[in-house]
Amino acid sequence: NAGVTQTPKFQVLKTGQSMTLQCAQDMNHNSMYWYRQDPGMGLRLIYYSASEGTTDKGEVPNGYNVSRLNKREFSLRLESAAPSQTSVYFCASSGWGQDTEAFFGQGTRLTVV
Amino acid sequence: AQTVTQSQPEMSVQEAETVTLSCTYDTSENNYYLFWYKQPPSRQMILVIRQEAYKQQNATENRFSVNFQKAAKSFSLKISDSQLGDTAMYFCAFMNSGYSTLTFGKGTMLLVSP
Repeated sequence: NAGVTQTPKFQVLKTGQSMTLQCAQDMNHNSMYWYRQDPGMGLRLIYYSASEGTTDKGEVPNGYNVSRLNKREFSLRLESAAPSQTSVYFCASSGWGQDTEAFFGQGTRLTVV
Repeated sequence: AQTVTQSQPEMSVQEAETVTLSCTYDTSENNYYLFWYKQPPSRQMILVIRQEAYKQQNATENRFSVNFQKAAKSFSLKISDSQLGDTAMYFCAFMNSGYSTLTFGKGTMLLVSP
């Protein structure tokens, strides 16, 4: 039972480079999320998708784009990476009703130099 | 917008003792869900306990229990018989009944010492 699979686990980018973080869940969840975690800041929501075909901005969306490719997959793209985007990124998914609990991927540690 | 506040950046406790982590939140919703997540050094986010706002009974999971005060918008986590493996960052989180977003506090780092 894989849960939420997030790749890659680690990445180093140069300023200005682009990359896509991949996330897939196998729990048939409707909602998916992308968070970033910085020291002393908790987890801040970048984008979320309440259901297939919809995406919405969270607290810190600038510099990022997302795609909800299908119900399983939700990717995060950095078009032109900046040092301020150095962070740990988490993908998560959640269901509704009795499935109201978010499951998380293992995180991606991204360093932009 | 909902906000979640954890006023204790760090706490320490000795093995076998009891510790309480505080969390307050702000919302105009009546139906919502509250969570405590644990993040050990491995970085994995692990659900500790969940509380539905419409339930008056406080949730419990083995050594973990909550004190949910809806009127005061308070949701504290009590860890009994603390163990070394409880050392972790603990996050309080809120989700409204529309299932749209999960909002986190900034976390409390708990250190359990022998």
